[in-house]
Amino acid sequence: GESVGLHLPTLSVQEGDNSIINCAYSNSASDYFIWYKQESGKGPQFIIDIRSNMDKRQGQRVTVLLNKTVKHLSLQIAATQPGDSAVYFCAEITTPNAGGTSYGKLTFGQGTILTVHP
Amino acid sequence: EPEVTQTPSHQVTQMGQEVILRCVPISNHLYFYWYRQILGQKVEFLVSFYNNEISEKSEIFDDQFSVERPDGSNFTLKIRSTKLEDSAMYFCASKSTGRGQETQYFGPGTRLLVL
Repeated sequence: GESVGLHLPTLSVQEGDNSIINCAYSNSASDYFIWYKQESGKGPQFIIDIRSNMDKRQGQRVTVLLNKTVKHLSLQIAATQPGDSAVYFCAEITTPNAGGTSYGKLTFGQGTILTVHP
Repeated sequence: EPEVTQTPSHQVTQMGQEVILRCVPISNHLYFYWYRQILGQKVEFLVSFYNNEISEKSEIFDDQFSVERPDGSNFTLKIRSTKLEDSAMYFCASKSTGRGQETQYFGPGTRLLVL
């Protein structure tokens, strides 16, 4: 399940290292997942997305892995840079069954604070 | 690159007062959203809006909240009588229509402080 509070998971890495940020989602019916990056005082910024019919998707320096069996999502950032320091959120969308319409309500996870040291 | 804009960036108000938060979504988008984020917590869905009506709302979005698209470019969130617990960052988001177009683009947010 999810916990909500002031104590977000944190990840500290050195510049140039690879980072892996994890997310557990709770709804097995979710069919679309997005990773967002949020810098201090700003809105969430889209990084990468993946549909439930895929298990891996790559972007520029980022890879998202989806394991539906254990309802786990991860974001891998290659050659992490100081500018990558931010809070990272996973979010999911669930399309209703029986022909229902999804209007795209995003359910966000707790978030992970990534700090990259020069 | 087109982006979602929000005004004001900060709003301080007294408890019981009405506030209107404004958003200009990306111009060719048809789905609009409001989310909020209490300090230190995750982003929470408030409401979605499509075809000039609310399509979905959360339990947070009670009778004190309303949304409106008064013209072809603005999308507003009104809180009729603010409470202390309404203090949060409020984010507007939009996305284009059509299947496969699920990415929502967020504005920079309005920080609301209720005293």
